[in-house]
Amino acid sequence: GAVVSQHPSRVICKSGTSVKIECRSLDFQATTMFWYRQFPKQSLMLMATSNEGSKATYEQGVEKDKFLINHASLTLSTLTVTSAHPEDSSFYICSAPTSGGYWGNTQYFGPGTRLTVL
Amino acid sequence: AQSVSQHNHHVILSEAASLELGCNYSYGGTVNLFWYVQYPGQHLQLLLKYFSGDPLVKGIKGFEAEFIKSKFSFNLRKPSVQWSDTAEYFCAVNLGDSWGKLQFGAGTQVVVTP
Repeated sequence: GAVVSQHPSRVICKSGTSVKIECRSLDFQATTMFWYRQFPKQSLMLMATSNEGSKATYEQGVEKDKFLINHASLTLSTLTVTSAHPEDSSFYICSAPTSGGYWGNTQYFGPGTRLTVL
Repeated sequence: AQSVSQHNHHVILSEAASLELGCNYSYGGTVNLFWYVQYPGQHLQLLLKYFSGDPLVKGIKGFEAEFIKSKFSFNLRKPSVQWSDTAEYFCAVNLGDSWGKLQFGAGTQVVVTP
């Protein structure tokens, strides 16, 4: 079945540093991927749409200079949290849509990356 | 603005009990509807989805959901739950013209006791 991986699964960094999170579609190509953020005991909030070969599109209120997205290939999107601060601590989840597999047109989610900024 | 509401934040029930989780959305256009489950320590998994056709949708693990357009609802049901159904359940909606972007409800934590 369709699988999406994320790396790292957990990262702790100091305030002011930048952190890169990778999202890969392992057995299918994804021209589009999505990045979500989940705060504790809250739902997922869509941050941005990552587009292969073009600029990402960001949801209202998401700082594009803070959360840099690069979709370098059909199987890889990266999210870089620049100059991270404690309020950026969260669970970041990516997803990728595919038309293949059991469900047909649907999305598959990565396992998430827990970011803690000290 | 579009929104997704899940009626219960926390549900506790015994094994073999029936489960129904409510989900309402606010959007007047074409929508696609999903229920996702997140087991402890695992990633989101799709339980079922509705794009069109029969409003009663059957998913995996014995779950089903009914789309009632007039009520803007997509409630999830399971006749008899098991301890392994302990998880967080999310209702999600996307706009018909952009099926990849999902708007999630707040989630319902379901705890099934032996």
